[in-house]
Amino acid sequence: AQKITQTQPGMFVQEKEAVTLDCTYDTSDQSYGLFWYKQPSSGEMIFLIYQGSYDEQNATEGRYSLNFQKARKSANLVISASQLGDSAMYFCAMREDLGGGADGLTFGKGTHLIIQP
Amino acid sequence: NAGVTQTPKFQVLKTGQSMTLQCAQDMNHEYMSWYRQDPGMGLRLIHYSVGAGITDQGEVPNGYNVSRSTTEDFPLRLLSAAPSQTSVYFCASSYGGALNEQFFGPGTRLTVL
Repeated sequence: AQKITQTQPGMFVQEKEAVTLDCTYDTSDQSYGLFWYKQPSSGEMIFLIYQGSYDEQNATEGRYSLNFQKARKSANLVISASQLGDSAMYFCAMREDLGGGADGLTFGKGTHLIIQP
Repeated sequence: NAGVTQTPKFQVLKTGQSMTLQCAQDMNHEYMSWYRQDPGMGLRLIHYSVGAGITDQGEVPNGYNVSRSTTEDFPLRLLSAAPSQTSVYFCASSYGGALNEQFFGPGTRLTVL
């Protein structure tokens, strides 16, 4: 079973609209981290936002917020007031705590977001 | 700080050739890892290291070797390149623990003919 599921392969959004990118995850660990990365056409991986499994409040970073619903195992990324520069691939990822350390990131397949003027 | 650096940026190999992808970080991170990214896929973990002298396999380790002799460096070796290893390779580093973001290098685009 996939550990990270992103159900939107592609999205078209009008500039200045808010965008929600979906992410659901599967883990039996109690301690884990959820991350969103942006990959523009230039190829680099840019960290956007992080949510720890024990965090009670949703994470926010500027225009980015993470809608964390632990019982539903979802960690959706919300981008407010989208801009043309937000056009990119967006990856949801999870890092599980192995007790003595941590595993690597497990990624979803990504959502290709295109912002239209 | 340079962050995470990778060399080379691009590489073309013939089937059966060997090569080493270099990765270095100057943030004193104990955790380092290698991922590959194929078209239409997210990144998949190849190998990782939780500190100097300690390495472990990720999801797709076959055909790759790693070693970690220093905190700063984590090279990835392809012993006998195959076309299936054509991919973009990313190195990443972080502090240990699940609650720490990983910092990624710029990637190496490898083509195996």
